[in-house]
Amino acid sequence: DAMVIQNPRYQVTQFGKPVTLSCSQTLNHNVMYWYQQKSSQAPKLLFHYYDKDFNNEADTPDNFQSRRPNTSFCFLDIRSPGLGDAAMYLCATSRDPGTGGAKQPQHFGDGTRLSIL
Amino acid sequence: GDSVTQMEGPVTLSEEAFLTINCTYTATGYPSLFWYVQYPGEGLQLLLKATKADDKGSNKGFEATYRKETTSFHLEKGSVQVSDSAVYFCVSYGSASKIIFGSGTRLSIRP
Repeated sequence: DAMVIQNPRYQVTQFGKPVTLSCSQTLNHNVMYWYQQKSSQAPKLLFHYYDKDFNNEADTPDNFQSRRPNTSFCFLDIRSPGLGDAAMYLCATSRDPGTGGAKQPQHFGDGTRLSIL
Repeated sequence: GDSVTQMEGPVTLSEEAFLTINCTYTATGYPSLFWYVQYPGEGLQLLLKATKADDKGSNKGFEATYRKETTSFHLEKGSVQVSDSAVYFCVSYGSASKIIFGSGTRLSIRP
């Protein structure tokens, strides 16, 4: 089945130690998103790629970076994790939203739960 | 700016009860509207969608109708089950490709 896969499901890192979360997709969607979700809250968009075009949300901290080496893979790098970065990180994909008309739904992975020691 | 206002939770119902979770939106133009469901420890799954006024999305016994006149997209189910316990998000995807999430509604169903 075509899907969005996030690895690992659970990640523990130390305060200040860089960490990378990964996402892969077999849907061949050209848009990929990274969200941060804290307990009992809605997902918060960090950034997204439209093909290779990177779009950062205005309030995403500089501590968060992303790479998309090809259509199938996308990585989230947290350069110096703080205690406040402990959260669930969700990757999602969608087809080209187009310039108008109906928007395509997003397909989410199961997330990576990040803990900071 | 665009926004989505969703019914506050948690909502607790008995099995076989009727469910309504309210959702209203503000947007420039006519966004596409979605309901997503999130089970504990998992990502979000698309539950249903509607892309224009008067469209009705339906899936797994859930329904929602895109009401332009009231700018609403309320989620309904005639008879809920314990397995429907989850968090439900109403989402607007509109102009300028802006995706707006509601705050989420936690639903608990008692056997």
